[in-house]
Formats: sequence, structure tokens, C-alpha cells
Amino acid sequence: AQSVTQLDSQVPVFEEAPVELRCNYSSSVSVYLFWYVQYPNQGLQLLLKYLSGSTLVKGINGFEAEFNKSQTSFHLRKPSVHISDTAEYFCAVRRPLQGAQKLVFGQGTRLTINP
Amino acid sequence: NAGVTQTPKFQVLKTGQSMTLQCAQDMNHEYMSWYRQDPGMGLRLIHYSVGAGITDQGEVPNGYNVSRSTTEDFPLRLLSAAPSQTSVYFCASGLNTEAFFGQGTRLTVV
Repeated sequence: AQSVTQLDSQVPVFEEAPVELRCNYSSSVSVYLFWYVQYPNQGLQLLLKYLSGSTLVKGINGFEAEFNKSQTSFHLRKPSVHISDTAEYFCAVRRPLQGAQKLVFGQGTRLTINP
Repeated sequence: NAGVTQTPKFQVLKTGQSMTLQCAQDMNHEYMSWYRQDPGMGLRLIHYSVGAGITDQGEVPNGYNVSRSTTEDFPLRLLSAAPSQTSVYFCASGLNTEAFFGQGTRLTVV
């Protein structure tokens, strides 16, 4: 079975500062990795995904994440955040042979951007 | 593009009542799922389907039923609502590499 741990439940940062949201996973088999964003009172939107290949993955809105197999991590980064990035962020994993129906999510990290 | 449509957006139920949360997708996806979101717990899988006529249980299936008679629709039934089922429910449909989520249904059981 897979599990995901997001190491910070809340991350406050100032506007235009860099941010890193941490995600560690546990799995005995290879996995696909995802970051989703949830804006207030909305559904989840895919930010980026790692399936295979380059370990540095670029997503929407200037976010990127790096897959580190030895440390079983998939941390999300942005070099300069904006007020509009205020949201909850979820890391998720699933096995490649399973379809999109069986994602395992972390607990979420609430990112708050202060002016 | 409608994508994944959930109805209703909000619902209040009394303990013991039954109801069906509706989910419809117009992307011809084989895979569909139901998750519940609770504070500090992320999203947890309730039931999922890999195609019409095929469903299976996820991590937290107790108290919920599903069926999938068509590719487009995947309703979630609460047979006898309990306060522990107060949550935000998300339906998702997907391809092999990506899932698309609806806007959610906020359910309160009193």
C-alpha cells in the first residue's frame, strides 16, 4: 500500500518570497506522483505530475517539483509567490498499473501569502 | 466543456435520512471515483469504478453504495445518514494518467 505525508499543515510566506511545500511518500513499488491545488470553495486542479523521465517537473502557475527516489520525496517549489497562490495543496500518489481512480492523498498544506 | 458535474452543491440531512449525490462526466472516461475530504485528513477514497457495471470499495466504503450503469454517471448513495458522514464529497473521472475533479458537495448531517 502507498502512503503520503505532507510535512507542514500550514505554510505562511510573504508575497514574492520563495516557497517549498514538502511531500514524502512510502511505497514498495514505483509510483506516479501528483500535486493538486484547491482554491477556496472549489474542486481540485492538477498542478503537475511525475510519471517517468526527467525528475524535475514543471507545472502551471510557475510551480515545479523534483522527484527524489532515494529520499522518496516530491517537494513542490515556486521561486516567487503571489497573493493568488493562497490555497490548499495536496500531494498524491498512485501505482502506474492502476487507473486514475485510486489516488492516495496527503493531508494537505495550507499556503497563506501575506502582503 | 462541462467536465465533471456534481449535484447538489450543498445539502443538509437529518440523521437516518437517505440521499443520492449525483456525478456526471462528459469526457467518456472509464475511471470514476468518489472521495470525501475532512479537515487534516486530505481526501480519502470511498468507492471507485473502472467502467460501466464495475465498481469496488476504497478506503472508507462503510455507509455508502455506488452503481455505474452508464459511462457518464456514478451516483453515491447514503442509505442512512450519520453525523460522521458530514464532509465534503468529491467525484473524479480520469484517464490512465490524470484525474479531473468536480466542484464538490458539502454535506451536513444533523
